[in-house]
Amino acid sequence: EAGVVQSPRYKIIEKKQPVAFWCNPISGHNTLYWYLQNLGQGPELLIRYENEEAVDDSQLPKDRFSAERLKGVDSTLKIQPAELGDSAVYLCASSSDGTSGTEQFFGPGTRLTVL
Amino acid sequence: AQSVAQPEDQVNVAEGNPLTVKCTYSVSGNPYLFWYVQYPNRGLQFLLKYITGDNLVKGSYGFEAEFNKSQTSFHLKKPSALVSDSALYFCAVRDNRLAFGKGNQVVVIP
Repeated sequence: EAGVVQSPRYKIIEKKQPVAFWCNPISGHNTLYWYLQNLGQGPELLIRYENEEAVDDSQLPKDRFSAERLKGVDSTLKIQPAELGDSAVYLCASSSDGTSGTEQFFGPGTRLTVL
Repeated sequence: AQSVAQPEDQVNVAEGNPLTVKCTYSVSGNPYLFWYVQYPNRGLQFLLKYITGDNLVKGSYGFEAEFNKSQTSFHLKKPSALVSDSALYFCAVRDNRLAFGKGNQVVVIP
């Protein structure tokens, strides 16, 4: 079974430029998550989707971050414009459902460097 | 809000010796607890979880964890560590969302 796929794996951009990350979850997983992981820290939730609906986006900085999950499968996370402080690893995860006891499966992440 | 504490930044252990990675949690409702492992340049891999039932939970790669409600702890253990177990380990607790600790670097010395 294929795992969670993310692209690109690495991205280097200059500040104020836009950037987008793509995620393909495990087949059949209805719940999709985007996390931010800073160096030396654990992941922090940005947004959670149940199918195509964003059910928890309270941690997403909506002034510059946006996300979509058209058709309830693949998802894209966008930053526009990027700031120096956005340099981090962006992780996508999926689970078969969004209940508390269900484990999440993570992709390899996209390492963003903003210069 | 839920939270996790992993008090040690790094755990060093000799190969073949028992490995313990400590985790304490705080949550208002029933605790749903997880351990994940992260290897360099890779995503987090699920090891095990506690939902309910037996306090000793067995997971992948020979790891197990002991849930202790009175001490609000969920320590990860392995009877005999391997060099390949060297990685970053995260404890997490779920209430409305999954909250991770800062992680523990485990170094297994040959």
